[in-house]
Amino acid sequence: QKEVEQDPGPLSVPEGAIVSLNCTYSNSAFQYFMWYRQYSRKGPELLMYTYSSGNKEDGRFTAQVDKSSKYISLFIRDSQPSDSATYLCAMSETGANSKLTFGKGITLSVRP
Amino acid sequence: NAGVTQTPKFRILKIGQSMTLQCTQDMNHNYMYWYRQDPGMGLKLIYYSVGAGITDKGEVPNGYNVSRSTTEDFPLRLELAAPSQTSVYFCASTYLGRDRGNTIYFGEGSWLTVV
Repeated sequence: QKEVEQDPGPLSVPEGAIVSLNCTYSNSAFQYFMWYRQYSRKGPELLMYTYSSGNKEDGRFTAQVDKSSKYISLFIRDSQPSDSATYLCAMSETGANSKLTFGKGITLSVRP
Repeated sequence: NAGVTQTPKFRILKIGQSMTLQCTQDMNHNYMYWYRQDPGMGLKLIYYSVGAGITDKGEVPNGYNVSRSTTEDFPLRLELAAPSQTSVYFCASTYLGRDRGNTIYFGEGSWLTVV
């Protein structure tokens, strides 16, 4: 079993849809959970960061972490064409700014 | 407002050639990283550095070398390039202190093809 598994894509949704992106992991020592957004031919940029279990909301984005199930999710409400990008989950034992283990990423396309 | 700067952006190498990917950051970050990203795959850590003069291997270090002589610069050296090193390379940096939530900043990537 890979350390971090991310739902395969690609994913195409109409504008305004609610998007759910998910990752599972096997390493129970992970405590920091991140979602990165990567536009085509650009570097990843941090979108959301959560420490331990719980929810975190930032505008149209909500990150959820369930450590008991080793499952994290990113929800995008009222999706926009500008949300079209690759989304990577990332995890760390020691910090959001420490060595990260990434999922493979899922490419999201939001159709106008 | 440069952030993390990588050069070159694109490069084609022949098998057996060597080259250095340059990375510099102007944010006075202590930690720097090199990742590679293969198509449809997540990022894999090649090497990282916790400060000038200190480097350590990541998950996929074979075929690469690094040095960190200054806080700002963290070049990645490819010796005897092989087709398996065809990838996109990302340099990243952060300040790691007491706050474990600081953002890691990534460069825009270097596309390398070995033929």
